[in-house]
Amino acid sequence: KQEVTQIPAALSVPEGENLVLNCSFTDSAIYNLQWFRQDPGKGLTSLLLIQSSQREQTSGRLNASLDKSSGRSTLYIAASQPGDSATYLCAVGNNNDMRFGAGTRLTVKP
Amino acid sequence: DAMVIQNPRYQVTQFGKPVTLSCSQTLNHNVMYWYQQKSSQAPKLLFHYYDKDFNNEADTPDNFQSRRPNTSFCFLDIRSPGLGDAAMYLCAIKGGGFSTDTQYFGPGTRLTVL
Repeated sequence: KQEVTQIPAALSVPEGENLVLNCSFTDSAIYNLQWFRQDPGKGLTSLLLIQSSQREQTSGRLNASLDKSSGRSTLYIAASQPGDSATYLCAVGNNNDMRFGAGTRLTVKP
Repeated sequence: DAMVIQNPRYQVTQFGKPVTLSCSQTLNHNVMYWYQQKSSQAPKLLFHYYDKDFNNEADTPDNFQSRRPNTSFCFLDIRSPGLGDAAMYLCAIKGGGFSTDTQYFGPGTRLTVL
């Protein structure tokens, strides 16, 4: 059974810093990996989707990488802003099965 | 416009009183999911439908049932809610088969059990 781990569980940084969030998974036979953002009490918003054949995806200040062989993905956030404060979750997809990590709670201080 | 709609957004029920949560979608995607998420935890997959094909997770309690009468709608029935079932319930959709489409989530229904 696929296990997804996100470290750290919480992170606090000053505004303007670049930061990296980590996601690891135990079974490298995946179709894709998706990063989500979740604001308190809300649903999940998709940020980036990386296909299994890809190494990275970029959207604005966000860059996600995928290393299937080592079972790792990172989400890089450049020039962080207070509005980036949220919980970031990664989910690993195998066909229609999606497994989530518990997330990293990010706080960006003004 | 919202692609995944969940109703109600907040639901309060009494211990043991059946409750139904609903989810609808505007994209006609094949796959619909129900997740349970408790505070500071990962969303836990309860089950998913690929079209009308129902896929139950092995550790989903029998207390949880689901119906998908058509492509657009999916329901989560909790037959006898316990205090431990209080959580956020998230519905999601995705293009099915070997598609690697993005998974889209609804805003969730927060269930309180008194």
